[in-house]
Amino acid sequence: DIQMTQSPSSLSASVGDRVTITCRASQSISSYLNWYQQKPGKAPKLLIYAASSLQSGVPSRFSGSGSGTDFTLIISSLQPEDFATYYCQQSYSSYTFGQGTKLEIK
Amino acid sequence: EVQLVESGGGLVQPGGSLRLSCAASGFTFSNYWMSWVRQAPGKGLEWVANINLDGSEKYYVDSVKGRFTISRDNAKNLLYLQMNSLRAEDTAVYKCARDSGIAAAGQDYWGQGTLVTVSS
Repeated sequence: DIQMTQSPSSLSASVGDRVTITCRASQSISSYLNWYQQKPGKAPKLLIYAASSLQSGVPSRFSGSGSGTDFTLIISSLQPEDFATYYCQQSYSSYTFGQGTKLEIK
Repeated sequence: EVQLVESGGGLVQPGGSLRLSCAASGFTFSNYWMSWVRQAPGKGLEWVANINLDGSEKYYVDSVKGRFTISRDNAKNLLYLQMNSLRAEDTAVYKCARDSGIAAAGQDYWGQGTLVTVSS
């Protein structure tokens, strides 16, 4: 089974900051990597698919990169509505989520 | 507007069974793979199972293989999850989700979920 490890597990940042979240796969998954945002009590929202493709309607301050085993989600300038938990997900072999990264207000 | 509405959750004893349903609307249900994803209280997301367009292919996470069965009724726009031999560790909010129309691009629409509690 493919394991996904995100880092950090949590981070504090301020509005306007540039934030980077990383995700590592236990084996190569090519570019089969997706990113989600989840707010408390809400359904997850697909942000990025295929490592770097922006889902329709998602602001351009979100971007993704990487291939193989190492991936990155970048939020270029944090907005108040971006404080949430972020999950990566591999879709190379069924699906596996990372453990999540909780982004909190500093 | 795409809508996914789950039902069927509740309290069940260990070893018991439960069937979840997900009513889909706002899109052509038979054109999409569908998934179940669960989230234990205060924990992260875990993909549980998915099913192809006509129900002939089904995939499961190892922890539920042999106990859970995913199925669909395209005539009624319904997705199901039959859960047998339930364990305490199956306690979670179960969400149905539409697999994106783009291959291996994750799940693009989600329901709010139905809570399953396994406890004596």
